[in-house]
Amino acid sequence: RKEVEQDPGPFNVPEGATVAFNCTYSNSASQSFFWYRQDCRKEPKLLMSVYSSGNEDGRFTAQLNRASQYISLLIRDSKLSDSATYLCVVNLYNQGGKLIFGQGTELSVKP
Amino acid sequence: NAGVTQTPKFRVLKTGQSMTLLCAQDMNHEYMYWYRQDPGMGLRLIHYSVGEGTTAKGEVPDGYNVSRLKKQNFLLGLESAAPSQTSVYFCASRDGGWDSNEQFFGPGTRLTVL
Repeated sequence: RKEVEQDPGPFNVPEGATVAFNCTYSNSASQSFFWYRQDCRKEPKLLMSVYSSGNEDGRFTAQLNRASQYISLLIRDSKLSDSATYLCVVNLYNQGGKLIFGQGTELSVKP
Repeated sequence: NAGVTQTPKFRVLKTGQSMTLLCAQDMNHEYMYWYRQDPGMGLRLIHYSVGEGTTAKGEVPDGYNVSRLKKQNFLLGLESAAPSQTSVYFCASRDGGWDSNEQFFGPGTRLTVL
């Protein structure tokens, strides 16, 4: 079983749609959680951290459920520029800041 | 600030050849990482370093060596390249602070081994 698993993609949605990505992690020692965004053939960049209480950044909302070992990302009012691959990432406690990446979910927003 | 830079951007090798990928960061970060990314696999950690002069193995270290002689540089070596090492290689760095979890990535090196 992969340590971090994400919804298989791709997600094809029209502009303005709301889309949700789900992610599960297997290691209960996971300490920190993130969503990274990766544009085609580019490097990953941090989109947002995920906090236990849930957090929002504009059109993006991230949720964490430690009991179920589940992370989600909600994108409201999708824009064409949101088209990218979204990577669910966890940081294991006390292991040199190593990040464990999910395989990514591709999002394509169409006009 | 250039952030994290990687050299070269592209390379084609023949099986058995060796090469070194260079990663440099100008943010005075303590931690540096080498990943490879293959289709459908996500990023997998090859080796990492928590400070100058130290290195450690990641998830997929076989066939690679690393060195961190200077804080700002992290080198990844392929001793005898194999087709299975065809991949995109990303270097990343982060600050050593306890609350600094964000990793900053270089633009990647696309390596093909024939």
